[in-house]
Amino acid sequence: KAGVTQTPRYLIKTRGQQVTLSCSPISGHRSVSWYQQTPGQGLQFLFEYFSETQRNKGNFPGRFSGRQFSNSRSEMNVSTLELGDSALYLCASSTGQGFSYEQYFGPGTRLTVT
Amino acid sequence: QQQVKQSPQSLIVQKGGISIINCAYENTAFDYFPWYQQFPGKGPALLIAIRPDVSEKKEGRFTISFNKSAKQFSLHIMDSQPGDSATYFCAAIGGSNYQLIWGAGTKLIIKP
Repeated sequence: KAGVTQTPRYLIKTRGQQVTLSCSPISGHRSVSWYQQTPGQGLQFLFEYFSETQRNKGNFPGRFSGRQFSNSRSEMNVSTLELGDSALYLCASSTGQGFSYEQYFGPGTRLTVT
Repeated sequence: QQQVKQSPQSLIVQKGGISIINCAYENTAFDYFPWYQQFPGKGPALLIAIRPDVSEKKEGRFTISFNKSAKQFSLHIMDSQPGDSATYFCAAIGGSNYQLIWGAGTKLIIKP
């Protein structure tokens, strides 16, 4: 079974621009969660989508948004980029239901804002 | 109540020694406690997980000890190897919320 894939792997943007990151979950997984990870920080939860609906949301400003498509692929968008948005953005997939809580992470997208 | 507190922040252990990382939680609705291992430049990978109906789970050199009454759980790495050098995260989930609650991470360095 193919793992979680994220594109692009690296991205350099300028302050004020917007960016869209993509995540393809493991086949059969319906839940996709997004996290921001900065040096010295743990994983900061952004949001989780399950069957195209946002089920959970972290404490990030409205500049961070996401969506999920009918094939469970998910995109995350950050508008009006700030220098502090430079981070590794990780997505994780899981079945999202029952007692199966295992999350499987992709390699991440390294975003640099200059 | 939603926090998971992880300690220590960093840990240096000699090769062959035992590495111990501790986590504590408050929410008694949590019913799944995973540990993740992350190498630089990679996403976290599930290492081992436990449910509160058992007090210990062992997989190879990795053991989770769980103390339900104290609301604490810990990861023990026996015979620690340089290849174990990574950042380790504990997490917890349970109740009606499917959101994993993460510890802050422990950077483990195994000295040869």
